[in-house]
Amino acid sequence: GAVVSQHPSWVICKSGTSVKIECRSLDFQATTMFWYRQFPKQSLMLMATSNEGSKATYEQGVEKDKFLINHASLTLSTLTVTSAHPEDSSFYICSARGPLATGELFFGEGSRLTVL
Amino acid sequence: AQSVTQLDSQVPVFEEAPVELRCNYSSSVSVYLFWYVQYPNQGLQLLLKYLSGSTLVKGINGFEAEFNKSQTSFHLRKPSVHISDTAEYFCAVSDLGNTGKLIFGQGTTLQVKP
Repeated sequence: GAVVSQHPSWVICKSGTSVKIECRSLDFQATTMFWYRQFPKQSLMLMATSNEGSKATYEQGVEKDKFLINHASLTLSTLTVTSAHPEDSSFYICSARGPLATGELFFGEGSRLTVL
Repeated sequence: AQSVTQLDSQVPVFEEAPVELRCNYSSSVSVYLFWYVQYPNQGLQLLLKYLSGSTLVKGINGFEAEFNKSQTSFHLRKPSVHISDTAEYFCAVSDLGNTGKLIFGQGTTLQVKP
């Protein structure tokens, strides 16, 4: 099946700094990628839809200036958490629509962000 | 808009026993349905999906699910669980408009005991 890779898997940063998380589709082109956030023991919350070559579409309540999304190529989307604070600590997961129009998404391994 | 309800937050079961994880959805349009499994500190892995056709869907690791349109349900079953099946399970729905968005249920923790 299609493979989606995220990097880094784990990141610890100081409060006030910015952190970039990468999401790559390794063996297919993904015009659309999605970013989810998952709190401990909770479900995945869709943050935004990342569209190649255009602005991301954010879900209601998600701060656009806090979570910057860039989808500059057909295989890479990035999420930058700007001026991170401890409440931004979470598990961030990306996904990409597979090469077939079946609605299936392929997920990255997730990135654990801890802000001190 | 779609929504998904997983009726059980935790399901404890003994090894080799059968299990059913329940999922109900609501939608004003036809949908695709999915079950994903998540192991600790990992991403999601697709167990199975219903797109169309036969309402009984077989997936990986011996899991199967049955789509019931009249009851708007998509329950996940396995006839005999293993310790290694201990994980978080998520039911998800996607609209046929192919926006690609998945709406997830709250998740069910399957705890398999020896």
